[in-house]
Amino acid sequence: QSALTQPASVSGSPGQSITISCTGTSSDVGGYNYVSWYQQHPGKAPKLMIYDVSNRPSGVSNRFSGSKSGNTASLTISGLQAEDEADYYCNSYTTSGTWVFGGGTKLTVL
Amino acid sequence: QLQLQESGPGLVKPSETLSLTCTVSGGSISSGDYYWGWIRQPPGRGPEWIGTIYYDGATYYNPSLKSRVTISVDTSKNQFSLELRSVTAADTAVYYCTRRRRSSSNRDYWGQGTLVTVSS
Repeated sequence: QSALTQPASVSGSPGQSITISCTGTSSDVGGYNYVSWYQQHPGKAPKLMIYDVSNRPSGVSNRFSGSKSGNTASLTISGLQAEDEADYYCNSYTTSGTWVFGGGTKLTVL
Repeated sequence: QLQLQESGPGLVKPSETLSLTCTVSGGSISSGDYYWGWIRQPPGRGPEWIGTIYYDGATYYNPSLKSRVTISVDTSKNQFSLELRSVTAADTAVYYCTRRRRSSSNRDYWGQGTLVTVSS
């Protein structure tokens, strides 16, 4: 199973919006609505931000939203804040009954 | 509040077996609503899914690791475990135990992670 494709880095200024893409195939992202997004700060465990493409867990800011079109899922963060600076990973279920992660995107808040 | 805690040796020699246990507190591992699993993250790299177990013992493994991995559950102790055999330096990583809701990608609880280094 190949890793999902994410941009290595994105950046934005406080208050702006950014979008991180996660591209897979019809055997993973495109085939199921089982895509999730995780935020990871240095030395910490990943934190669930979005599940099942567009659902937000309780306690996660509504500045975070998810969507999917075809084989590409996206995470959008609006109203960027300094605390959003972190690594972000997407994760998808696959037709093999397994789970695959993206390579990760480093978000820099300028 | 649910908590997951990994435990096990932080150093394993090449060719030996890595063994970790995840203790679940604040909830029952026997709940049919969740899958329990292991994910690892090599230093400076992204996470990698290792495998998942259901309370009844059904398991699902990453094909790239399947020949070396066993995940088991002990409902009496509210624990599940990971064994990874014939380890090499490439298996050096932070290992996380997780909980995922059935029929969902909602992997909401993670342990704090434990670094396992493979070195002689």
